[in-house]
Amino acid sequence: DTAVSQTPKYLVTQMGNDKSIKCEQNLGHDTMYWYKQDSKKFLKIMFSYNNKELIINETVPNRFSPKSPDKAHLNLHINSLELGDSAVYFCASSRGGTQGNTEAFFGQGTRLTVV
Amino acid sequence: AQTVTQSQPEMSVQEAETVTLSCTYDTSESDYYLFWYKQPPSRQMILVIRQEAYKQQNATENRFSVNFQKAAKSFSLKISDSQLGDAAMYFCAYRSASGATNKLIFGTGTLLAVQP
Repeated sequence: DTAVSQTPKYLVTQMGNDKSIKCEQNLGHDTMYWYKQDSKKFLKIMFSYNNKELIINETVPNRFSPKSPDKAHLNLHINSLELGDSAVYFCASSRGGTQGNTEAFFGQGTRLTVV
Repeated sequence: AQTVTQSQPEMSVQEAETVTLSCTYDTSESDYYLFWYKQPPSRQMILVIRQEAYKQQNATENRFSVNFQKAAKSFSLKISDSQLGDAAMYFCAYRSASGATNKLIFGTGTLLAVQP
């Protein structure tokens, strides 16, 4: 069973469109994240949710809106897509709170290409 | 703010040899966690090894070990008996042990090639 799964794996879309990426984890974790990996492979946190509550929003444009219907799901909706949004988006999860020695489990990534 | 630096964009090693990937970080915190993640061409992020800052003993996982120097804020990864399957991008990451957030702060990565 896949621990963290995100769909789709690949997404090609035109500028100006709206798209969503879905993420689900079956690990019983409290905290979920979205990370963005740019064309130079640099990984940066975008959002973090703990028990459906937003706890991190790292100066991401408000065209990006995460939604967590329950603690096992964290979806990412992107409005008015721009060329610069092309990247790989990773969902991840971990145990929450201050148990910092818990590892983050990552999904397989969604490669978004905006044309 | 914490930062993580990987000064080697690319490294190469012969199969069966040993290679060390460097990582330094900057933080004012005393309690934190450090990780090495591997990203093969499949794109999947795989945890290789983790180190708790309060532990003096260096972490080891089979052929992978770290050299953790807290005072120097250095966290290098040693891969022994390198195998072709070790070829990947390796990311060093920092995570605070305090506060409500458990976000990972990543370095820029080191691309490791393994020569047969």
